[in-house]
This record gives sequence, C-alpha cells and structure tokens, in this order.
Amino acid sequence: GEDVEQSLFLSVREGDSSVINCTYTDSSSTYLYWYKQEPGAGLQLLTYIFSNMDMKQDQRLTVLLNKKDKHLSLRIADTQTGDSAIYFCAERRSTDKLIFGTGTRLQVFP
Amino acid sequence: NAGVTQTPKFQVLKTGQSMTLQCAQDMNHNSMYWYRQDPGMGLRLIYYSASEGTTDKGEVPNGYNVSRLNKREFSLRLESAAPSQTSVYFCASSEARPGLGTEAFFGQGTRLTVV
Repeated sequence: GEDVEQSLFLSVREGDSSVINCTYTDSSSTYLYWYKQEPGAGLQLLTYIFSNMDMKQDQRLTVLLNKKDKHLSLRIADTQTGDSAIYFCAERRSTDKLIFGTGTRLQVFP
Repeated sequence: NAGVTQTPKFQVLKTGQSMTLQCAQDMNHNSMYWYRQDPGMGLRLIYYSASEGTTDKGEVPNGYNVSRLNKREFSLRLESAAPSQTSVYFCASSEARPGLGTEAFFGQGTRLTVV
C-alpha cells in the first residue's frame, strides 16, 4: 500500500499473545481497521477503531492507536492455531480511499 | 444475500489479450474498490468508485480501466494483458455507517495468470 507498513511475518506458540504492528501515513484518516485473510479466501473485517480513540477491546482482540506516532497494533490474547492467517491493517483516508498495509503472516505452532 | 460476487475465479491470458473482471454487490453500497494482491506488497488499490457514475485512480491504475455500470456493478478491464499483471484481484464494497465505522466486504478473488 501507499506506505502503510507492517512486518511480514510473526510466529508464536499456541496460548501466547500475538502483537501485530502497523504504521500508517495519513494523520487525517478517520477509521483504522484490522482484516484477516485465511488461505484462498477474501478479507474479513476483524475490528476497527475510530481515530479519536486510543484503545478498543473486543474479546481476545485489543487494538491500540497512537495517533501522534501514526502507529496501530493488534493484540490477540491466547492465540490459537485457528488464528493462523494474514492480518492487514487499513486506513480510510479523507478522500474515501481505503488503503491497506503489506500484511503480516501469523503462524501459530503447538 | 450473496454479498460481493466476482467472476471469474481463475483466468489464464496470453500477453496482449484483453479481458474484463466482473464484480457485483447486493448490499446497496455506494463505494466499490478493485485491489490487486501480490506477495510482500499487500493489497494495492487499483481504482475505486465512491458512488455510481464516479471513478478515481488508486495507487496502481496503469494498464487498467474501470466502469461503474450502476450502483451494483464495478468492472475492471485489462486492455492488453502483461505478465506484470499476474496477480490475485479483489473487488470490495463498503458503506459508511455513522458512529459505527465502515466495513469493507470482499469478493473471493480472481487469480489471473498472464503468460
């Protein structure tokens, strides 16, 4: 994407927490999203955060937003093998463009 | 309720051939998007359409054209396919819901190979 960056790969043990990081570019972005892509499938929305929030929790998922540094993270508690997938962060810019990051492949091993 | 439907699911083209990827959504969304997904590069926006009758270039529009035929349909055309256009293509649609954010719904993707 247009400089929405993520690390490419993360490997964790089942039961541990996973933290996936993302840096975005447009300080006027209104919403920031996390999407999950399972093999051979399209993307599905996991969670989102409005730009005037700094944290959102949704069951095992915690999203942290540092607007000053334009940094977004997704924490998955008690990671399971079913969480293995590619995770994309995305920003909705003021022009209504929806720009995605490069994706982080999460591998969970027993 | 089918959501976002893309056709075809797979396609092989020879260099220089043309083809149109079709996308339709039944959720009455205003915004529609075409992305390509390549290893290590995430999803890159090719074109998007904020409403019926409008289209705008995304990050990588060269070699593509689009048509927002009506509110439901948004097609992507490759006039003269090149091997660099080998990719997985995703169509998406979304609608802003005040106070609730905007969820984009994706099709299942079209895997295109240009030889």
